[in-house]
Amino acid sequence: GAGVSQSPSNKVTEKGKDVELRCDPISGHTALYWYRQSLGQGLEFLIYFQGNSAPDKSGLPSDRFSAERTGGSVSTLTIQRTQQEDSAVYLCASERGSQETQYFGPGTRLLVL
Amino acid sequence: AQSVTQLDSQVPVFEEAPVELRCNYSSSVSVYLFWYVQYPNQGLQLLLKYLSGSTLVKGINGFEAEFNKSQTSFHLRKPSVHISDTAEYFCAVSTFTGGGNKLTFGTGTQLKVEL
Repeated sequence: GAGVSQSPSNKVTEKGKDVELRCDPISGHTALYWYRQSLGQGLEFLIYFQGNSAPDKSGLPSDRFSAERTGGSVSTLTIQRTQQEDSAVYLCASERGSQETQYFGPGTRLLVL
Repeated sequence: AQSVTQLDSQVPVFEEAPVELRCNYSSSVSVYLFWYVQYPNQGLQLLLKYLSGSTLVKGINGFEAEFNKSQTSFHLRKPSVHISDTAEYFCAVSTFTGGGNKLTFGTGTQLKVEL
């Protein structure tokens, strides 16, 4: 596909369970971002990957959140021991290079019961 | 740190009328400015961006915005809206200070176009 894809599109989980959210960026894009969109906090930056550099994790809300990017392409955001306040839409975006446009995926809607 | 304020949470407007969505920002360094649109159950799509140069920026779907440094504003305008413009609009800033293009978003403005 030509755009950023994310899976699953929807995820319902029970409090305390771990979840993994996947992002497939546009081929050739070196930068990848995760954002969270929630009713209480709006749109927030979570983490940023650029090539093989160490990721910028400054936006992660707690140590229950982690992310990795394998081979400079696919990224997985993992939330351990989910809480109800983790319910949100998790958006991934990729970018070809510096000062370029970020292209967003459709998001994963996470509901923690 | 930077912040973005979108003063209007909802803007109702009749079709073919002009519209302005307001955005003000705060930052201690130079910023880059963006407007994104989000249609229901979709991701964000870039409407336009200001990086440098002319302060009047034209984007897709007939939208334009003007960067006003003295008023720290970046209001979005369209001279004649369509029903299809009904969506949520987000203003965002970034600073490109070594940490990539991390975007700080406003809280969004829901534009509702009515017949």
